[in-house]
Amino acid sequence: QKEVEQDPGPLSVPEGAIVSLNCTYSNSAFQYFMWYRQYSRKGPELLMYTYSSGNKEDGRFTAQVDKSSKYISLFIRDSQPSDSATYLCAMVNAGNMLTFGGGTRLMVKP
Amino acid sequence: DADVTQTPRNRITKTGKRIMLECSQTKGHDRMYWYRQDPGLGLQLIYYSFDVKDINKGEISDGYSVSRQAQAKFSLSLESAIPNQTALYFCATSADGVYNEQFFGPGTRLTVL
Repeated sequence: QKEVEQDPGPLSVPEGAIVSLNCTYSNSAFQYFMWYRQYSRKGPELLMYTYSSGNKEDGRFTAQVDKSSKYISLFIRDSQPSDSATYLCAMVNAGNMLTFGGGTRLMVKP
Repeated sequence: DADVTQTPRNRITKTGKRIMLECSQTKGHDRMYWYRQDPGLGLQLIYYSFDVKDINKGEISDGYSVSRQAQAKFSLSLESAIPNQTALYFCATSADGVYNEQFFGPGTRLTVL
């Protein structure tokens, strides 16, 4: 079993929809939780990070962490075609190393 | 100019050939990483280096070697390429920070025939 599980998609939504992307993890030692966005033929870029359980907002994006359930989510409000990308969750362990989920491919159609 | 650059961007080679992928960074970071990305598997760590004299194996180091020539340069070698090493390869850097934000290069698409 992988330490971090993420549905690969693809997830196809119409423009303006609310998108929910999720990851589950098994390692209780993970301390920080991140979401990276990767456009086609590009390297991943950090979108958001959070440390504690709860919500963190940044514009149209909300990251949610539930440590008791070992479950993290990324919500995108008013999704735009420019949000079409692969979204990778990543977790930081006590050794300060990252473990990535497999990524979810999102397509937002005009 | 890009902060993390990789060369080549694309490479097609044959089984048994030696290949070197190069990474340079201008971010001034001490930490550098090499990952491979396969569809549905996310990013898997091959090697990482916390400074010029420090080299560590990641989760999938077999068949690969690295060289840290300077703070800004980190090369990945495939001594004898095989078809299942066909993948996207990314270099990344990070500062010695609390949550370890990593900055990625644009990637190298490697095909081994």
